[in-house]
Amino acid sequence: QKEVEQNSGPLSVPEGAIASLNCTYSDRVSQSFFWYRQYSGKSPELIMSIYSNGDKEDGRFTAQLNKASQYVSLLIRDSQPSDSATYLCAVNPDGGATNKLIFGTGTLLAVQP
Amino acid sequence: KAGVTQTPRYLIKTRGQQVTLSCSPISGHRSVSWYQQTPGQGLQFLFEYFSETQRNKGNFPGRFSGRQFSNSRSEMNVSTLELGDSALYLCASTGRDLTYEQYFGPGTRLTVT
Repeated sequence: QKEVEQNSGPLSVPEGAIASLNCTYSDRVSQSFFWYRQYSGKSPELIMSIYSNGDKEDGRFTAQLNKASQYVSLLIRDSQPSDSATYLCAVNPDGGATNKLIFGTGTLLAVQP
Repeated sequence: KAGVTQTPRYLIKTRGQQVTLSCSPISGHRSVSWYQQTPGQGLQFLFEYFSETQRNKGNFPGRFSGRQFSNSRSEMNVSTLELGDSALYLCASTGRDLTYEQYFGPGTRLTVT
């Protein structure tokens, strides 16, 4: 079983809609969770971090964490064509002792104008 | 504040050669992590350095090594290159706060022929 799992997509949504991206992880001791956006040919860009159960909002982005169910999600409201990218879920499995991140394979999001 | 820088950006090497990649973290960041990204395996953790000490290592052969200098700059070395080492090598730095947020450099694209 992969440590961090994501649906590879592509996830296609119309412009202005809400895009919902999901991620599950296997290691219960994980404490830190991150969402990165990666445009084709570029390096990953950090867009959200979350550490506690519940929701965390930043502009059009909302991260949701449920440690009991071992899943983390990212909602993108009012999706724009510029949001089209691969979204990577990352988990720190070491409880903060080191900065090692385990990444999912990413979900390709396509926002249709 | 300047971001993470990596040199060189592109590299072409022949099987059997060795290569050294360089990473300069964000000013004030003391932790540097290295990742390999390939289409087949995704983003995989190589190792992390903190205060010149390797703090964690991923599941890669001994041909992959690294070091960190007193100014937090880091290098990674791959010896006896194989075709399968062709990848995007990413460096990320983490600050001293407790967010454990990692910021990636632009990467070095290595092609082994």
